[in-house]
This record gives sequence, structure tokens and C-alpha cells, in this order.
Amino acid sequence: QKEVEQDPGPLSVPEGAIVSLNCTYSNSAFQYFMWYRQYSRKGPELLMYTYSSGNKEDGRFTAQVDKSSKYISLFIRDSQPSDSATYLCAAPQGTDKLIFGTGTRLQVFP
Amino acid sequence: DSGVTQTPKHLITATGQRVTLRCSPRSGDLSVYWYQQSLDQGLQFLIQYYNGEERAKGNILERFSAQQFPDLHSELNLSSLELGDSALYFCASSGAGYSGTEAFFGQGTRLTVV
Repeated sequence: QKEVEQDPGPLSVPEGAIVSLNCTYSNSAFQYFMWYRQYSRKGPELLMYTYSSGNKEDGRFTAQVDKSSKYISLFIRDSQPSDSATYLCAAPQGTDKLIFGTGTRLQVFP
Repeated sequence: DSGVTQTPKHLITATGQRVTLRCSPRSGDLSVYWYQQSLDQGLQFLIQYYNGEERAKGNILERFSAQQFPDLHSELNLSSLELGDSALYFCASSGAGYSGTEAFFGQGTRLTVV
């Protein structure tokens, strides 16, 4: 079992839709979580990170962590075609490395 | 622009050959991480260096090696290349490990082994 799992998608939604991207994790030792966005042929860029259970909001993006069920979510409101990318959830394992999910490919069509 | 520079952007080489990928971290960052991204495996951690010393190893093949130099740039050496080594190789840097700080990724080197 992978430590961080994501549905690879693709997820296709119309512009303006609310998008929900999800990850599950198995390692209870994970203390905080990150969401990265990766455009085609580019490096991942950090979108958000959150330390604890609950919600964190940044503009149109909301990250949610439920440690009791080991579930991580990223919500995108008013989705735009420019949001079309692969979204990766990740968790640091100690101070050595990030464990990534395989990513969910999102396509927002006009 | 993340501030992490990787060269070259693309590399095409034959099986059995050896290549070197280079990474310059963000100014002031001490940690450099190397990741491999293939279509079916996602981002896989290879190795981390911190201030010139190897700090952690992931699923790095024995044919692969890395080092971090005194100026903090890093090189990833891939030898006896096989078709399956074709992938995107990313370098990331951070200040001092991941505890509370984010990692910044370069644009990657696309390696094609033919």
C-alpha cells in the first residue's frame, strides 16, 4: 500500500465549477500536508500546506485535513481553465523527503 | 520562477551511456532533493543532500549517484542507462529540511534513453 494515494483522474469539469480533489494516507506519523500543482512539462509548485485537522483557505483554494479518517482534500472554487493541471498531495516524512501521491489530472473546460 | 535551476532541460542518449544532471538550489537553501517522475510511478524520492552531506536515500539505483558541492549546487549522475530510466528528473531545494518550510522545485530535466 502506498503511503499517500490519489485517484489519477482525469477529472473534467466546466469553468466555474467547484472542484474536490482528494487523497488518503496511511502513515499516522504524518504531521502536515501539502498540495502541489504541476502544469504539463513543468516542475511542481507549492499551493498550500496545512498543519492540522480542519480547513485552511487561500483565495479560491481550501485545504482540508481529517486526521481521524486520514483524508486530505483540496477544494477549488470558481474553477478556471488556467487551473487545468495535475494536483499532487504530499506529506513530509521526517525532515528528509516528501512522500507524494501520484497526482490527479484536472481539466477545466470553458 | 522557483529559483531552482536545472540543466539541461532535455537530454537524449543511448542505452549504456552515462549522463550528469545539474541543479542549482535557491539562494541560501542548504538542502537539495532529487526526484524521478515517470508516468506510472509519480514522483519518487531518490536522494537528499544537506550542506554537502548525504542525508537520506530513497529508491535510488546503484547505477545512480549524486553529490553536493561546496557552492551547494548538486549533480545527479546516471550510468549504464536503460530504456526504463527515461523520465523527468526534478531537483528541489529547501532551507533546512521540511519541518515547516516548503520545498521549491526546478523545471526538471527530461531524459530520454533510446
